[in-house]
Amino acid sequence: KQEVTQIPAALSVPEGENLVLNCSFTDSAIYNLQWFRQDPGKGLTSLLLIQSSQREQTSGRLNASLDKSSGRSTLYIAASQPGDSATYLCAVNGGGADGLTFGKGTHLIIQP
Amino acid sequence: NAGVTQTPKFQVLKTGQSMTLQCAQDMNHEYMSWYRQDPGMGLRLIHYSVGAGITDQGEVPNGYNVSRSTTEDFPLRLLSAAPSQTSVYFCASSYVHLGLPYEQYFGPGTRLTVT
Repeated sequence: KQEVTQIPAALSVPEGENLVLNCSFTDSAIYNLQWFRQDPGKGLTSLLLIQSSQREQTSGRLNASLDKSSGRSTLYIAASQPGDSATYLCAVNGGGADGLTFGKGTHLIIQP
Repeated sequence: NAGVTQTPKFQVLKTGQSMTLQCAQDMNHEYMSWYRQDPGMGLRLIHYSVGAGITDQGEVPNGYNVSRSTTEDFPLRLLSAAPSQTSVYFCASSYVHLGLPYEQYFGPGTRLTVT
C-alpha cells in the first residue's frame, strides 16, 4: 500500500527566505504527483502536477521536482511571503482509478 | 465556471439521522470522488466514480453510499450517522487521461458534526 510522508510537519520562517518542503512515497510506480495548498477552513487548491515522466514543474515562485526512483518530491518556494502561509499537501496518483494518496501536510508560517 | 461546488458548508446531525452531501461540477469531468479529512489522518478516499452509472469503493466506504446518475452530480449519502463520521468532506473531480484520473480539482468542503 502506498504511503506518503511529508517532512517537516511544521515550518516557520521569516519573510523573503527560500524554502523546501519534502515529500516521500514508498511505491515508485506512480502516474503523477500533485502539490496542493490548503488555507484554514478552506478546500484544496492545486499548485503543481508532475507526471511520472517529468523531472520538474514550475509555476511562478514555485518549483516542484520529482525523483521517482528514490520516491521523493520537493516543493521549492522562492522569496517567501506572508501570503504563502498555509498547509501544503503532497498527493500521489498510483496509476489506478482509486484516487490520490495524501501526505499529512506541512503547516507553513511565513513571519512578516 | 463555478468548478466544484458542495452543499451544505456546515451540518450538525444527531446519531442515527441520515443526510445527503451534494457535489456538482461544471467542467464535464468524467471522474469524481469523495474524501474525508480528519486531524492526524490526512485525506482518505471514500468512494469514486469513473463516469455516469459507475461507482466504486475507496479506502473508507463503510456507512456511506453514492450514485452517479449524471456527469455533473455525485452525491454522498450517510445512511445512519455516527459520531465517527464527524469530519470535513471534500468532493473532487478530474478529466480522464489514458483511462486514469488526471489533475484533480477540489470543492470547498462540508464540515459535518455528528452528536
